[in-house]
Amino acid sequence: DTAVSQTPKYLVTQMGNDKSIKCEQNLGHDTMYWYKQDSKKFLKIMFSYNNKELIINETVPNRFSPKSPDKAHLNLHINSLELGDSAVYFCASSPRPGGTGELFFGEGSRLTVL
Amino acid sequence: KQEVTQIPAALSVPEGENLVLNCSFTDSAIYNLQWFRQDPGKGLTSLLLIQSSQREQTSGRLNASLDKSSGRSTLYIAASQPGDSATYLCAVLSGNTPLVFGKGTRLSVIA
Repeated sequence: DTAVSQTPKYLVTQMGNDKSIKCEQNLGHDTMYWYKQDSKKFLKIMFSYNNKELIINETVPNRFSPKSPDKAHLNLHINSLELGDSAVYFCASSPRPGGTGELFFGEGSRLTVL
Repeated sequence: KQEVTQIPAALSVPEGENLVLNCSFTDSAIYNLQWFRQDPGKGLTSLLLIQSSQREQTSGRLNASLDKSSGRSTLYIAASQPGDSATYLCAVLSGNTPLVFGKGTRLSVIA
């Protein structure tokens, strides 16, 4: 069983479209994250949710809207996609807020905006 | 603001060699430090987590050390194998800030 799973794994779309990436964890963790890995492989946090509540929002454009229907799911919706949104997006979970426990990552969703 | 640097950016070694990857961070007031492995096109796999009160952690052929006062951590890989080829990332948690990642060291172990 995959601990942190993301769908889709690959996404190719046109500029201006709206798309969503879904994430689910079956580890029973309270905290989930979205990270963005750019073309230079640099990983940077975007959002963190603890038990369905937003606790970190790192200067991400408001075109990006996370949604957590329950603590096992954290979805990422992106409106009006831009070329610069092309990246790999990683979902992660941790047993405690702030990542004080170990982080477990999904396999990533590669978004390409044409 | 915490900054994490990893040196070297890339490393190529023959199979069987012992090697050391370096990670340095600017703010020594950390909660913990994690080493991850990333294979091409894959997610990140946690290798070792060192709490701020610990000096080192070991898992199999991997040993990670932490020197908070100097802002450094090393990941030691013994008897390297081609399957160890991957990018190794160091990440630091400090204060209430999110985990800060280094840019990684890309390791190639040549058979």
